[in-house]
Amino acid sequence: QVELVQSGAEVKKPGASVKVSCKASGYTFTTYGIIWVRQAPGQGLEWMGWIGSYNDNTNYAQKLQGRVTLTTDTSTTTAYMELRSLRFDDTAVYYCARTTPGRSYSDYWGQGTLVTVSS
Amino acid sequence: DIQMTQSPSTLSASVGDRVTITCRASQSISTWLAWYQQKPGKAPKLLIYKASNLESGVPSRFSGSGSGTEFTLSISSLQPDDFATYYCQQYDSYWTFGQGTKVEIK
Repeated sequence: QVELVQSGAEVKKPGASVKVSCKASGYTFTTYGIIWVRQAPGQGLEWMGWIGSYNDNTNYAQKLQGRVTLTTDTSTTTAYMELRSLRFDDTAVYYCARTTPGRSYSDYWGQGTLVTVSS
Repeated sequence: DIQMTQSPSTLSASVGDRVTITCRASQSISTWLAWYQQKPGKAPKLLIYKASNLESGVPSRFSGSGSGTEFTLSISSLQPDDFATYYCQQYDSYWTFGQGTKVEIK
């Protein structure tokens, strides 16, 4: 069965970086893309970026451009999201989700990773 | 950027009620729209894709309609498990979510 398993919660200081992993299983990793979505406490869903696992093409939300990098490791079927220069308002649950080929909705989601930015 | 606006933000309803949530796009997105259900502390769950296609395993009381800029998610007879927050998402040009509609018990 398709599964996306994310790394555990992180606590970081302002200005630091965080790297969240998303281990995929149960499907051909290189056939699908991965999007990253975050949700601040009590808030809605915010798209962060997308990576094509098959070609490493990326798209980033303009708001985060320059601070976020998405990568994949096809040998371990794992996607990564790195966010740099962390600010207090980056505190959120970060989700990875599989996107279908072509026009891309997300049919499977990771369990979420809480990143807390605190001094 | 395409903006997505949901209404209402909160909806109070009773078990058995028919419920409708509206999502409007700032420009035409054809039918490139999905609906998700999210419960507290959980990841979103796909309900509907391409505006009106029911995801496998999702109860048939859920339905979606619309095209262009106006879309609706309907629940024909609200069940206790349906009290949650619902989000629309466009995937015509990158991805954008609506702000969410919380369906709460009346």
